[in-house]
Amino acid sequence: NAGVMQNPRHLVRRRGQEARLRCSPMKGHSHVYWYRQLPEEGLKFMVYLQKENIIDESGMPKERFSAEFPKEGPSILRIQQVVRGDSAAYFCASSRSQGGLAKNIQYFGAGTRLSVL
Amino acid sequence: SQQGEEDPQALSIQEGENATMNCSYKTSINNLQWYRQNSGRGLVHLILIRSNEREKHSGRLRVTLDTSKKSSSLLITASRAADTASYFCATVVFSGGGADGLTFGKGTHLIIQP
Repeated sequence: NAGVMQNPRHLVRRRGQEARLRCSPMKGHSHVYWYRQLPEEGLKFMVYLQKENIIDESGMPKERFSAEFPKEGPSILRIQQVVRGDSAAYFCASSRSQGGLAKNIQYFGAGTRLSVL
Repeated sequence: SQQGEEDPQALSIQEGENATMNCSYKTSINNLQWYRQNSGRGLVHLILIRSNEREKHSGRLRVTLDTSKKSSSLLITASRAADTASYFCATVVFSGGGADGLTFGKGTHLIIQP
């Protein structure tokens, strides 16, 4: 029973390039969350998606960042025209679709560490 | 500003001692959770306590919640070297739309000295 899979684990981009981060949720999970973590900081919520829908993107920067969770395939966090300040660890988490508190326990992937040169 | 604030920021104790970490938050919550993060890894869920609960145990972990003070504590008893990690509290505020994003504090970095 594979956990949340993120790839790549490390991504290096030059300023102005695009970064695409992928996340496959745990089997049976239909809720996906993306978080960003700066060094020595806690995780900051970015966006919450269900299949084909963005439910809450209140933590997403207004420009250059987008996320999707298509009907088939992994969730993608896309950062266009990256800048040095985008360097961080990006974590994806998933949770189950059943009701109750089970939805609130999120299972995290190992993260993608983005370095912008 | 942070919803959750852990304290202390760093804690170093001897193996076998107990470790206590605290978390304060600002808004009303539905539940509060504690997560552990080993260096360079993702977060692992440890324990969830609901807003109507005051104390919860799981193995060597004991969590308390005081909603009147908007604070929680995590106690790890009989610490082991493998407990060395960063510990985060996270709060859930239901907005009616279902499972919401977690709001994390900055974490407590715990070091267990052998």
